[in-house]
Amino acid sequence: DTEVTQTPKHLVMGMTNKKSLKCEQHMGHRAMYWYKQKAKKPPELMFVYSYEKLSINESVPSRFSPECPNSSLLNLHLHALQPEDSALYLCASSLFYLSSTDTQYFGPGTRLTVL
Amino acid sequence: AQRVTQPEKLLSVFKGAPVELKCNYSYSGSPELFWYVQYSRQRLQLLLRHISRESIKGFTADLNKGETSFHLKKPFAQEEDSAMYYCALLGGTSYGKLTFGQGTILTVHP
Repeated sequence: DTEVTQTPKHLVMGMTNKKSLKCEQHMGHRAMYWYKQKAKKPPELMFVYSYEKLSINESVPSRFSPECPNSSLLNLHLHALQPEDSALYLCASSLFYLSSTDTQYFGPGTRLTVL
Repeated sequence: AQRVTQPEKLLSVFKGAPVELKCNYSYSGSPELFWYVQYSRQRLQLLLRHISRESIKGFTADLNKGETSFHLKKPFAQEEDSAMYYCALLGGTSYGKLTFGQGTILTVHP
């Protein structure tokens, strides 16, 4: 399995809802990432997990809560989001963190709409 | 602070013509640079990285530290090259943050 998978593909939620995005990889990668991508804009890094520990939080609001239950799985828990949080949320993984020879493999993304 | 600049939002060429997508960077350390591509309805994927000095799908890119550039080139563009191209820099004072440029949409006309 050489892919990063993300579920769901699409998600519509209200501002009071609680939902979760899921990301999975079975490539043995020990670094996993969450990015946010607005339309026609580049991806922006949100979080980095290395060996299931949160290494980087790019000043993301607390209404986004990441979780890495094991080396293959990465979740992003959403609560009390705002309409401006509507975007494509990308997950990526790489063999190791802080290694420029590694490739980051991206998932297809979850398109989130907050009403 | 690290920054990546892609000056062209849109680039149109005809099939068989040469194409060059420009990328300039700003970074105080020794950068690692990449080109990522996103074809229509497909996921973002790595095209090439400067450290490998490879040619992928006929594309090459040379790191010019004097001009702080990493332009992507292909001598003969094909219609299937039409896509969004992002230049990205891996750097950071204490961690490897991948910073993307704004992207260039390449359209290759028949």
